[in-house]
Amino acid sequence: GENVEQHPSTLSVQEGDSAVIKCTYSDSASNYFPWYKQELGKRPQLIIDIRSNVGEKKDQRIAVTLNKTAKHFSLHITETQPEDSAVYFCAAVAYNQGAQKLVFGQGTRLTINP
Amino acid sequence: DADVTQTPRNRITKTGKRIMLECSQTKGHDRMYWYRQDPGLGLRLIYYSFDVKDINKGEISDGYSVSRQAQAKFSLSLESAIPNQTALYFCATSDLLSPSTDTQYFGPGTRLTVL
Repeated sequence: GENVEQHPSTLSVQEGDSAVIKCTYSDSASNYFPWYKQELGKRPQLIIDIRSNVGEKKDQRIAVTLNKTAKHFSLHITETQPEDSAVYFCAAVAYNQGAQKLVFGQGTRLTINP
Repeated sequence: DADVTQTPRNRITKTGKRIMLECSQTKGHDRMYWYRQDPGLGLRLIYYSFDVKDINKGEISDGYSVSRQAQAKFSLSLESAIPNQTALYFCATSDLLSPSTDTQYFGPGTRLTVL
């Protein structure tokens, strides 16, 4: 089955700097890769996603890149702000007997230092 | 997202007790999920249901059972709770728009402590 590995587990950056979180997946059939953000005490919420037919997608200060050959994808946050502090989860869709579901990475706790 | 609610929000119980966590949604989605969140382990899928008559095991279903009472309701039960089931539990819903997307909407979570 699908396995998603996420690194690093914790990341601390200075406000205004960039942050990069990386994930690898094992199932070459996976074709959808979302990223979720979970603020302290809150529920996870989708912030950006990418499908396998594109290599990069941007939304203001966040971007996601996908390398299907290497089976890895990354989240890039530029000009980081205090409100970017949260736990971020990557995920990949997994297929099992015709059904699909998401497999999540272990999470990255991002801290933005003022 | 107020469209997905969970009860209770916090629960402390003792080893061996039966516990039920409930999830309700007003989004009209067919798909519902139960996840468990532990520090450093991410979100792990316990059970999922693609419609009222469909129940599927996730990666960590042992010790848990579910019931899909209606499209809008999906309950998770711990028949005999044990301490290593102490965790934050999330319900989620999704509405498959296309074969390659599956945005999930999470409830607020239930923090369960088993003593």
